[in-house]
Amino acid sequence: GAGVSQTPSNKVTEKGKYVELRCDPISGHTALYWYRQSLGQGPEFLIYFQGTGAADDSGLPNDRFFAVRPEGSVSTLKIQRTERGDSAVYLCASSPTGSNGYTFGSGTRLTVV
Amino acid sequence: SQQGEEDPQALSIQEGENATMNCSYKTSINNLQWYRQNSGRGLVHLILIRSNEREKHSGRLRVTLDTSKKSSSLLITASRAADTASYFCATVHTTGYSTLTFGKGTMLLVSP
Repeated sequence: GAGVSQTPSNKVTEKGKYVELRCDPISGHTALYWYRQSLGQGPEFLIYFQGTGAADDSGLPNDRFFAVRPEGSVSTLKIQRTERGDSAVYLCASSPTGSNGYTFGSGTRLTVV
Repeated sequence: SQQGEEDPQALSIQEGENATMNCSYKTSINNLQWYRQNSGRGLVHLILIRSNEREKHSGRLRVTLDTSKKSSSLLITASRAADTASYFCATVHTTGYSTLTFGKGTMLLVSP
């Protein structure tokens, strides 16, 4: 597609539930990044994929969070046993290999009630 | 963790005035980028300046970089109401992968 697509745009879930957030990067972009942005803060890095593999997952806050990119294109961020503190906007970005030309999606606003 | 610190946290000006935002960072960088964000959603890339560059222009935007002081500034000239948004600086470290480390942002309000 022309841009990075994230679905859903908004997600409300109950505490303790499992959620999946999807990112569809720009076609041909091998690098994919997930960031999390809390209210009034800048985005914080979660995980970086190069192709199918997670090259750097040092930003994942705990083992309730994990992400996959099985075919090197679409990525899914999965959060288990959600907590109210997980409420944030989750942003995805992609870029061509070796480039700093990032394109961000519009984000998924997750609200845990 | 967030490396950068933007200054000021909020800026309110009139249309036609210039807006200057500053950013400081802590560790050596490969490049520094400025992004704009409307309504807390998608980030739009504005400009990238490499560590060996000192100044860069793009339309009404002017970015400077002082690696000795680990700081950058973004100047928006002749501001418009449509420039109202949050502005973030983000750095790419010299080591590791090309992940971005963002500051907390400056919220700019341009009044007609």
